[in-house]
Order: sequence, then structure tokens, then C-alpha cells
Amino acid sequence: DARVTQTPRHKVTEMGQEVTMRCQPILGHNTVFWYRQTMMQGLELLAYFRNRAPLDDSGMPKDRFSAEMPDATLATLKIQPSEPRDSAVYFCASGLVQGGTQYFGPGTRLLVL
Amino acid sequence: DAKTTQPPSMDCAEGRAANLPCNHSTISGNEYVYWYRQIHSQGPQYIIHGLKNNETNEMASLIITEDRKSSTLILPHATLRDTAVYYCIVRVAEGNTGGFKTIFGAGTRLFVKA
Repeated sequence: DARVTQTPRHKVTEMGQEVTMRCQPILGHNTVFWYRQTMMQGLELLAYFRNRAPLDDSGMPKDRFSAEMPDATLATLKIQPSEPRDSAVYFCASGLVQGGTQYFGPGTRLLVL
Repeated sequence: DAKTTQPPSMDCAEGRAANLPCNHSTISGNEYVYWYRQIHSQGPQYIIHGLKNNETNEMASLIITEDRKSSTLILPHATLRDTAVYYCIVRVAEGNTGGFKTIFGAGTRLFVKA
């Protein structure tokens, strides 16, 4: 049963520290999405990739967030420096362009103190 | 961008059908309607999608009105495990890039009660 995996599942860090979240999309999927979920804002799309190329990262705070896909099996989301307002659950999802359905990972729960 | 409107919450008795409505009056002709659900503390889970015709799978049925301005997700025999937030989404084609941006609204919180 193919699944999207995310690491770490939980992260507690102090303000100002760098945070790196990793996602392994389902093998063969050619789109990857990063979402952030908070109680106040709900699910927000941060960025998405097609065939490893970033198509849209307009939802990301550019000064501190960055998203990359170094290869087809790994997507990363980095926050540097982290701030308390970045505390949220970060979800990665993958899919096929042709299909349109997104398959979500279990999320990374980030707490910035 | 086509947007969706859903009631914030609904109740359903266990074993009965749960009918979750969604309005998408500005939907374009080539945009699909997708439904996902999110059980507490888990990632959203795909349920079903459709363009014009009604669809059914092992999880649910999707009824789309003829004018495509609204749809209803039907869980035929709701169980306690169906308690979740249900999201109705219209898939938006993103210009010439060929990408597809997905915008999640607030969803409907379904409570299935024994």
C-alpha cells in the first residue's frame, strides 16, 4: 500500500532555529504539494511542484521559507529562521497531473517556542 | 477561482445516510469537484471526484446537479468512524503552467452519533 511519508512527525524547536521537513512522495507521482494547517487559517497551500519544478510558491513567506525537490523521491520544506507563528501542522501530498487526486502524508507537527 | 460553500457542521445518526451539500456556483466547464475528508489529527483523505455525471465508489456517492452549481456527497450508511471534516473542492487549472492549484475551504464537520 503506497503512502506518502513525512519526517519528522513531531518537531519542537526554539525561535530562530532552522527547521527542515522532509517528504517522500508516492513512487511515480509527478506532483508534490506542501500545505500548512492551523486552527485559525485551516489548510493553506504553500507550494507545489510538477516534475520537480516549482510551479507556484505564492503561498509561502519568501523571506524565511523555501521548498525544493532535490530528486523525485524527496521534497523538503525549510524554515530559517523559525518563528512562533510558524507553529502548525505541515502536510505534504503527492499525485499525478493526469489524475488530479492528491494523497496526503501524516503531517509534521511543528511547535516553535 | 471557483470557490465552494459548505455548512460548517452537520449531525447524522449511525447507520443512516449522511448527505453533505456543497455549492460551487462559479464553477467552470472543465473544473472537477473533489471531496476529501480529514479525521482528527490525520492528513486529508481522498473520497471521490466528478465532472458532470454522478459517481459512486466503495466509500461514497457524488451527486452533481445538471447545472453543476452544486453537489452532494452521500455516505450511505454512516458509522462513528465517518466523523470527520469533509472538504468540497473545485480543482483550479493554473494558467499556462499546466499546474492545478487546490484551495481548501473550511469544510463541514460531520458528527456521526450512536
